Formats: sequence, structure tokens, C-alpha cells
Amino acid sequence: GIQVEQSPPDLILQEGANSTLRCNFSDSVNNLQWFHQNPWGQLINLFYIPSGTKQNGRLSATTVATERYSLLYISSSQTTDSGVYFCAVQRRLSGYALNFGKGTSLLVTP
Amino acid sequence: DTAVSQTPKYLVTQMGNDKSIKCEQNLGHDTMYWYKQDSKKFLKIMFSYNNKELIINETVPNRFSPKSPDKAHLNLHINSLELGDSAVYFCASSQALLSPLHFGNGTRLTVT
Repeated sequence: GIQVEQSPPDLILQEGANSTLRCNFSDSVNNLQWFHQNPWGQLINLFYIPSGTKQNGRLSATTVATERYSLLYISSSQTTDSGVYFCAVQRRLSGYALNFGKGTSLLVTP
Repeated sequence: DTAVSQTPKYLVTQMGNDKSIKCEQNLGHDTMYWYKQDSKKFLKIMFSYNNKELIINETVPNRFSPKSPDKAHLNLHINSLELGDSAVYFCASSQALLSPLHFGNGTRLTVT
């Protein structure tokens, strides 16, 4: 099956810092989504981004499907950004089921 | 107004018991899913239903049986629970197969 690799696995930032999370995938995909799991366990959809760049407030994402990677940018981080960030890919071959990476665990300190 | 709601939030039970988790979505979506998150936070698809039809059935024990009475509901029934079934189970929905996924808040199942 397809491999979805996220880096870094863990990240600690001071409030106000910027960061870039990376998601590499081993085969062509039809779609990619980014999720944030907050410390209470809720999974929030951040971006639906098969290609190109999207922005939502302090967060933005870029997917370069031809090169099989996606980036999630967090600017001016806040303590509420803490949690685990997952990328997940979809392929027709797997019935469009979301295949998740192992996540990047982010801690933003005051 | 919860979009995808699961009940119960916590479920503690003994080995060998049978239990169910209920899921309802009020988004008018056509597709619903069950995902399992293990102790290392890895998320894996279990089942997917589109318009009440089972379209994805990953390699899960046949002790797990999904039931979709209508497009807004997808319940998960688990027979003969085992210690290894302990995990967080998430229900999710999307408008179509290639649409943003919306998750419920999860059900933490603990088997003792």
C-alpha cells in the first residue's frame, strides 16, 4: 500500500514562532487532507488540498502532487495550536479511503 | 448543533461482552466511515458506507459489524470483545468519496 511519511514526528515551539510540517507520499494520489487533533482528542479538518496552495488564517498548505509532498505552514503559533497534525491521502485504488500518516506532535509553549 | 455525533463517549466493558457504538450525522452527507485510533494515535479505516452501501471493508475481525439503517446513521457493533479492541473509535462523514471528512468526537473503548 501507499506510504505516508510525516516529519518531524515531534516539534516544540515557543509562542509566536513559525513552523513547517511536511508530508511525503510514495505514490500518486487523488487527494490530500490535513487534520488537527487537539489535546481533547477532537479531529478537525484543516485543509482539503489535492494540489496548489490554500490559506486559512495563520495556517496555509501547499500540495505538489507531481512531486508527492505537501507542506503545512503555521505562522505566529499559539498555545491552542498544540496537538497532533495528520495528513491523509486518498486514492481511487483504495476506494478513496483516507490513508493517514503517523502525525506530527506539536507543543507550543507560552 | 453537533455535525457528527457518537455515543457513548466512553465505554468500559469486560472481555467477551457485546457492545455497540452509535453514530449520527446531520450534515446531509452521503458517505460515512468508521476509523480506529490505536494507542500510538495511528488512524486506520475500518469501514466506509456510501448511500447505505458498504464500499470499504478493511481487514478487521468479523466480530465487528457495521449497520447503516439510513444515510444519516452508521452504527458499529462489536461481538466477543477482546483486550486488543481497546482503542478510540471515530465515526466520520463526507458529502462524497472525494470530499472533506468530518469526524465525530470519538468513543474511547476500554476492554478489561
